[in-house]
Amino acid sequence: KQEVTQIPAALSVPEGENLVLNCSFTDSAIYNLQWFRQDPGKGLTSLLLIQSSQREQTSGRLNASLDKSSGRSTLYIAASQPGDSATYLCAVRDSSYKLIFGSGTRLLVRP
Amino acid sequence: DADVTQTPRNRITKTGKRIMLECSQTKGHDRMYWYRQDPGLGLRLIYYSFDVKDINKGEISDGYSVSRQAQAKFSLSLESAIPNQTALYFCATSDSSGTSGNNEQFFGPGTRLTVL
Repeated sequence: KQEVTQIPAALSVPEGENLVLNCSFTDSAIYNLQWFRQDPGKGLTSLLLIQSSQREQTSGRLNASLDKSSGRSTLYIAASQPGDSATYLCAVRDSSYKLIFGSGTRLLVRP
Repeated sequence: DADVTQTPRNRITKTGKRIMLECSQTKGHDRMYWYRQDPGLGLRLIYYSFDVKDINKGEISDGYSVSRQAQAKFSLSLESAIPNQTALYFCATSDSSGTSGNNEQFFGPGTRLTVL
């Protein structure tokens, strides 16, 4: 059974710092991996999707990498801003098209 | 206008009541999903539908039922609500074909359900 783990569960950094969020999964037979942002009381916003054949995806200050063989993905946020404060979720898609989610990393960027 | 809408956004009900949560989408996607999220946890899949005639159980379907009334509408019912069904419920959609053939999922704003 696929399990997705995100470390750390919470992170607090000063504004301007570069940071890395980690996601690991137990079964490397994934179709793709998606990173989401969740603001309190709101829905999920898709940030980046990496296909299983890709190594990384970039969008603005965000860069996500994928190492299928080791079961790891990282989300790199450059020059963090207070507006980046949110919970970040990763999810892997298996061959049955279902998403399996991690429990998230709660990020606080202090002004 | 939002592409994926959920109604109601908040609901408080009592144990034993029947509750229906509704989801509508204007994205033209064929696939729809219902998830629940508990505090400090990730989302867990309740039911999913790949088209109007295709309904599948997810990880935690006990106590729930669904109806896919049209391609754009997917409702979730709690036949007899219980307190441990208090959670945040999300609807999502994806497209199995076209330019988004990677099945990227797009989420609604969520429904906060409290069962007393």
